[in-house]
Amino acid sequence: DADVTQTPRNRITKTGKRIMLECSQTKGHDRMYWYRQDPGLGLRLIYYSFDVKDINKGEISDGYSVSRQAQAKFSLSLESAIPNQTALYFCATSFQGAGYTFGSGTRLTVV
Amino acid sequence: DQQVKQNSPSLSVQEGRISILNCDYTNSMFDYFLWYKKYPAEGPTFLISISSIKDKNEDGRFTVFLNKSAKHLSLHIVPSQPGDSAVYFCAAHRWANSGGSNYKLTFGKGTLLTVNP
Repeated sequence: DADVTQTPRNRITKTGKRIMLECSQTKGHDRMYWYRQDPGLGLRLIYYSFDVKDINKGEISDGYSVSRQAQAKFSLSLESAIPNQTALYFCATSFQGAGYTFGSGTRLTVV
Repeated sequence: DQQVKQNSPSLSVQEGRISILNCDYTNSMFDYFLWYKKYPAEGPTFLISISSIKDKNEDGRFTVFLNKSAKHLSLHIVPSQPGDSAVYFCAAHRWANSGGSNYKLTFGKGTLLTVNP
């Protein structure tokens, strides 16, 4: 089993719909992150959490919300999806300041 | 304001030759640098890192060089292999304990490396 699991792997949704992307990890890491990747724009940070009670906005948090349900689970929600949120979404974990372990990504298409 | 810059979107090299991927940064507080490799349909995976107290770190075919005065680092792959074809991301953060917000990685836009047989 993967250390960082993202579900779903692919999702097509309609404009205005609410959608949740889920991330779970078995590494025991305290820190979790959500990034999105767009062609030519690299990886941009949406939200991050350093423990269950700590949630922080990243550089592009507008239109997104997160929930850290447990140390091992960090979900990303799009309350009302719009087409420019079509992207590849990655969850990552780290132990304090060490390097990240990424999930395999969720490809989201908003039509 | 882009703090980590990879100015070459793509690079093509012949198998067996050297690949050099470049990265520049603007934030002088960064003191730890990493390279990630990403294949299509997979998440990025850690490749190699370097602390600002060093100017070189080597791991097999991969070597990262850091020039702090120029705020520049490079990844050398020798010899390049077709399996090295992927997107390479440069990333940086501040390792020193200066508050939790500095532990998050800042990524460049990535460079697509193609190694031709």
